[in-house]
Amino acid sequence: GAVVSQHPSWVICKSGTSVKIECRSLDFQATTMFWYRQFPKQSLMLMATSNEGSKATYEQGVEKDKFLINHASLTLSTLTVTSAHPEDSSFYICSASPLGLAGDVNEQFFGPGTRLTVL
Amino acid sequence: TQLLEQSPQFLSIQEGENLTVYCNSSSVFSSLQWYRQEPGEGPVLLVTVVTGGEVKKLKRLTFQFGDARKDSSLHITAAQTGDTGLYLCAGDKGAQKLVFGQGTRLTINP
Repeated sequence: GAVVSQHPSWVICKSGTSVKIECRSLDFQATTMFWYRQFPKQSLMLMATSNEGSKATYEQGVEKDKFLINHASLTLSTLTVTSAHPEDSSFYICSASPLGLAGDVNEQFFGPGTRLTVL
Repeated sequence: TQLLEQSPQFLSIQEGENLTVYCNSSSVFSSLQWYRQEPGEGPVLLVTVVTGGEVKKLKRLTFQFGDARKDSSLHITAAQTGDTGLYLCAGDKGAQKLVFGQGTRLTINP
């Protein structure tokens, strides 16, 4: 249980184009999903918290107009990198926390990640 | 400043040896999690510790949460080459946000 998928697993695009990444919780529902980015040999940095039915909450320094997040249902969140540039190349990972998890433990399950390369 | 400090950041040892990875902070966390990440994949949850002083075992891996809930350790006994990977600790700051340590890149040599 608690499987999270991401699509695509990798994408190469030209500078100036937009790329959409999907994050799905396959066997559970999640009101909240999270988007992280990870540079080579570094840890995960939280970009934004995606809330079902409401606006995403972005971390300081993350441009909300560049990284559009839509949480359309309890099992799907999308991240769109708009007008991508080479510096946006990174490994993007989403996570989700199951609804009704026992107690107050914030247990997140991660997707396999999406490798974005902008030429 | 890094809220969670992991040490060591790199560790290379021989198969069969024991090792300990530390995760330290000056902040108190309601829970702390350990993940393992393979190259090109997302992190996989190993364990969640919640209670101060808690010890959890997962086969050859032993996880401990400090009494004050500010630090944690991961001890691996008789390391195997399959234990190679990036180990990440993450603390729950509240508001459902996790704060990650820098990670410990572990290499077990045959």
